[in-house]
Amino acid sequence: GNSVTQMEGPVTLSEEAFLTINCTYTATGYPSLFWYVQYPGEGLQLLLKATKADDKGSNKGFEATYRKETTSFHLEKGSVQVSDSAVYFCALSGGSGNTGKLIFGQGTTLQVKP
Amino acid sequence: SAVISQKPSRDICQRGTSLTIQCQVDSQVTMMFWYRQQPGQSLTLIATANQGSEATYESGFVIDKFPISRPNLTFSTLTVSNMSPEDSSIYLCSVSKGGDYGYTFGSGTRLTVV
Repeated sequence: GNSVTQMEGPVTLSEEAFLTINCTYTATGYPSLFWYVQYPGEGLQLLLKATKADDKGSNKGFEATYRKETTSFHLEKGSVQVSDSAVYFCALSGGSGNTGKLIFGQGTTLQVKP
Repeated sequence: SAVISQKPSRDICQRGTSLTIQCQVDSQVTMMFWYRQQPGQSLTLIATANQGSEATYESGFVIDKFPISRPNLTFSTLTVSNMSPEDSSIYLCSVSKGGDYGYTFGSGTRLTVV
């Protein structure tokens, strides 16, 4: 079945450092890919998404490119801030045999220190 | 995007009892889902709530433990039955209108079973 794998956390960075959180997926067909963020004590928010190969999703300085050849959707940000500290989830939906449900990776905790 | 009202936001329950969680959406949606997020973990899909018919459960989840109703296109309930401390989690409702609309999440129900 479809699945999502994220890099292990926690990730600890200094403010203004470059961020990469790796995400790879297994799916047949052409799934849509998402990054969600969960700030401490808050609900889940959509950060960005991409619906087809080579699409780039972007929001709040974060970017991710849908790479079908490497089945990846890595999250990047050029300069992180303390306020970016949160848990980040990669997810997919669609593809062959998927009835519209959203499948999550295990989540990566990011801590940004001043 | 759709706005979700999920109730209750939290509860503390005695083992052996049941709790029903409500998910109300401000507009008609195609798909409704129920997730569980155990402490420090990712989101695991419990089931897809189908309007007017039995929910579709994921592996490891059964109707007797997690009965779900969806009487119309804007409302669903999840019941956690015969609770034990292992059921202590955050339960989240999610909806989608399909296509490129993406997925919206409720603020969750934080359940503690004592």
